[in-house]
Amino acid sequence: DQQVKQNSPSLSVQEGRISILNCDYTNSMFDYFLWYKKYPAEGPTFLISISSIKDKNEDGRFTVFLNKSAKHLSLHIVPSQPGDSAVYFCAASRWGGTSYGKLTFGQGTILTVHP
Amino acid sequence: KAGVTQTPRYLIKTRGQQVTLSCSPISGHRSVSWYQQTPGQGLQFLFEYFSETQRNKGNFPGRFSGRQFSNSRSEMNVSTLELGDSALYLCASSRQGTLPTDTQYFGPGTRLTVL
Repeated sequence: DQQVKQNSPSLSVQEGRISILNCDYTNSMFDYFLWYKKYPAEGPTFLISISSIKDKNEDGRFTVFLNKSAKHLSLHIVPSQPGDSAVYFCAASRWGGTSYGKLTFGQGTILTVHP
Repeated sequence: KAGVTQTPRYLIKTRGQQVTLSCSPISGHRSVSWYQQTPGQGLQFLFEYFSETQRNKGNFPGRFSGRQFSNSRSEMNVSTLELGDSALYLCASSRQGTLPTDTQYFGPGTRLTVL
């Protein structure tokens, strides 16, 4: 049962253009969402997050949008750079409870930014 | 500050054998989580340890086990290996494991191949 889904296995964009990565979730108990980036032979690194009380969070070139009613979030990268080429994972979590150390991840989307 | 380290980086085993993977968290981090990454499945949570105690567990068979030592280093063990256990095993550390705001930092992973 995939509670977090990234339906696009890959995305290719031109340098300077916008990259939009999408993520859907099914578990309405999730109230915090994160994006991680992974380069080959390295572990995932935290990129940006958003709480369910917000609908947008921005950090430099990266913006995450959350649509709670649609159970959908997206990551926008503007402008895209070749160094952004990596696998992007969407992840979800819950505040408190028994969520110790557990993030629920999507399958990942391979982003390729062409010069 | 040194990052999360995992040893070994690569392992080749045969079916039926057992394997032990090691993870050293960032200094000062007391929570260690383990994830399995397979193609098309994203990262799936195995378990989390804090102060030598398992606090959370994912949906994996009992062949997968772990432990944590007093210095917060952690090991995971897989017994009676199956072909489907071939994967990248990632460990992540955080200060307290109290997600979602306690950021998880990932190691580079151990690539396990079962023949």
